[in-house]
Amino acid sequence: EAGVAQSPRYKIIEKRQSVAFWCNPISGHATLYWYQQILGQGPKLLIQFQNNGVVDDSQLPKDRFSAERLKGVDSTLKIQPAKLEDSAVYLCASSLAIRGRHTGELFFGEGSRLTVL
Amino acid sequence: AQKITQTQPGMFVQEKEAVTLDCTYDTSDPSYGLFWYKQPSSGEMIFLIYQGSYDQQNATEGRYSLNFQKARKSANLVISASQLGDSAMYFCAMRETTAGGTSYGKLTFGQGTILTVHP
Repeated sequence: EAGVAQSPRYKIIEKRQSVAFWCNPISGHATLYWYQQILGQGPKLLIQFQNNGVVDDSQLPKDRFSAERLKGVDSTLKIQPAKLEDSAVYLCASSLAIRGRHTGELFFGEGSRLTVL
Repeated sequence: AQKITQTQPGMFVQEKEAVTLDCTYDTSDPSYGLFWYKQPSSGEMIFLIYQGSYDQQNATEGRYSLNFQKARKSANLVISASQLGDSAMYFCAMRETTAGGTSYGKLTFGQGTILTVHP
């Protein structure tokens, strides 16, 4: 079974530039998450999709970050304009819907490391 | 208030010995789940073990076990017979049920503990 795919793995940009990250979840996973992980910290949820609808975007800086999940499959996270503090790893994860005893663990991609200069 | 607290920034253990990584959580939700993930230097997050709040027994997965003390709100990870490949960052995470009684699965993570296994 293919895992969660993310691209690009690494990106270096100047502040005020824009960047986009792409994620393809595990086939059949209805729920998709974007997490931001700053160096030395735990991942922080930015946005969560259930199919193609947004479930939680309360911690997404909406003045500069946007995300979409067209057709309920792959997703794109965009930052425009980038700030120095956006330097982080952006992790995409997916999960099955939670039913009964299913744990509903999140399956993560390898992440996209962003450096803003 | 922190929902997940990992008080050990770093831990060291000798190869083949056991180690306990601490995790405490804060929730008023009677139904919740606790997870541990491993993050090697390569960056991927690897699911290790899960404990549901209503589970009567502590979870075990191979060399990993979860010491779940509900009254103390702690969910410590025990790794037995440590191996060099266990050196990584370890995260404790919690899933709560939303106010509507459903859970869409999002996890809240702690700050992590870096484990170093010495030969």
